[in-house]
Amino acid sequence: AQTVTQSQPEMSVQEAETVTLSCTYDTSESDYYLFWYKQPPSRQMILVIRQEAYKQQNATENRFSVNFQKAAKSFSLKISDSQLGDAAMYFCAYRISNFGNEKLTFGTGTRLTIIP
Amino acid sequence: KAGVTQTPRYLIKTRGQQVTLSCSPISGHRSVSWYQQTPGQGLQFLFEYFSETQRNKGNFPGRFSGRQFSNSRSEMNVSTLELGDSALYLCATSTILNSPLHFGNGTRLTVT
Repeated sequence: AQTVTQSQPEMSVQEAETVTLSCTYDTSESDYYLFWYKQPPSRQMILVIRQEAYKQQNATENRFSVNFQKAAKSFSLKISDSQLGDAAMYFCAYRISNFGNEKLTFGTGTRLTIIP
Repeated sequence: KAGVTQTPRYLIKTRGQQVTLSCSPISGHRSVSWYQQTPGQGLQFLFEYFSETQRNKGNFPGRFSGRQFSNSRSEMNVSTLELGDSALYLCATSTILNSPLHFGNGTRLTVT
């Protein structure tokens, strides 16, 4: 069974600084997707960034980037120039790349606090 | 484009009752998934529907059921509610294969 582990329940960062959230996963599959979702107090899960396992290049979305290490099964999220609006719960998630299977397996989340 | 709409936003029920939650997907989205979020268990997959057919089911008792209509709207039902069913229920929708999931704001269910 696939598992996703986020070892940092809480993190804090000064506004404008950089922070890295950690995620490791376990799978025997070779083709899959990894995601970072953000959940602010409004409760809605918002997709931050997505990585296809077959792509060696790390995904980047504006201030958000990942460090994907497939052999180590590690998928960390780096947030640069942190902003107050980045404060939220961040969830790492895994999905097998297989038609007919939209199931996401989530980690336990990291609560990110931005210090003004 | 309107987002994923979940109704109601809040619900309070007593043990033993049943409840029905609704999810309207983004226009054009045909896949609908449901997740339960609790402080203790985190986010857990309930089930997924595509073209009115359940394609995947998580490890939940038979009291949890769902369905999808021809317009892709989905409902989930929980019968004989237990205190442990108190949770945030999230619906997520997508177009087809390997497209990102879009989540609704969830329904907060409290069982007393």
